[in-house]
Amino acid sequence: SAVISQKPSRDICQRGTSLTIQCQVDSQVTMMFWYRQQPGQSLTLIATANQGSEATYESGFVIDKFPISRPNLTFSTLTVSNMSPEDSSIYLCSVQGLGETQYFGPGTRLLVL
Amino acid sequence: AQKVTQAQTEISVVEKEDVTLDCVYETRDTTYYLFWYKQPPSGELVFLIRRNSFDEQNEISGRYSWNFQKSTSSFNFTITASQVVDSAVYFCALSEARDTDKLIFGTGTRLQVFP
Repeated sequence: SAVISQKPSRDICQRGTSLTIQCQVDSQVTMMFWYRQQPGQSLTLIATANQGSEATYESGFVIDKFPISRPNLTFSTLTVSNMSPEDSSIYLCSVQGLGETQYFGPGTRLLVL
Repeated sequence: AQKVTQAQTEISVVEKEDVTLDCVYETRDTTYYLFWYKQPPSGELVFLIRRNSFDEQNEISGRYSWNFQKSTSSFNFTITASQVVDSAVYFCALSEARDTDKLIFGTGTRLQVFP
């Protein structure tokens, strides 16, 4: 399975600001995904990061709030814009490996005050 | 529509007990994939197992075993002789062959193993 890293691992931010989360994979992958896990909840897919084209967002998530970049096959960023306390969550990136299995990064814990 | 149900919100056991985590799924597809992930307190999501719908053989990996039964749409996970390090939230997930990008997670079961 691929080795996935995320930066930052955690952050505390003020409301109204933006945070960009980076996801780096040690091999080229076609599919990269971004998930949100609100406190005590399950994982919800935010969007699929497509290399060379715009991200595909799930219902309830919009590009203005969660802009995503995918400049190459090993890297993606997710920005959480104009943050509010409701954005406090763990944000995880994942990649699809062999056998339709998704492997996840270590996550970014975000607390918005 | 596809759905994964983990009815057990939280389970507490004492070390060395066996524990089974239940997972029931719904799908209209005949080809699909089932997964279990472990999320320890550190937060990362660790892949444990993948099963496709055509393979109903039970799987054993050390103290972990999985029981896949299509007749009851269940994919249960048993930990034998539990250890404190098994304490985590465990998620069952489903993806369908027609859209393998979409991984549907259950709500998770929090397992606490006490010494």
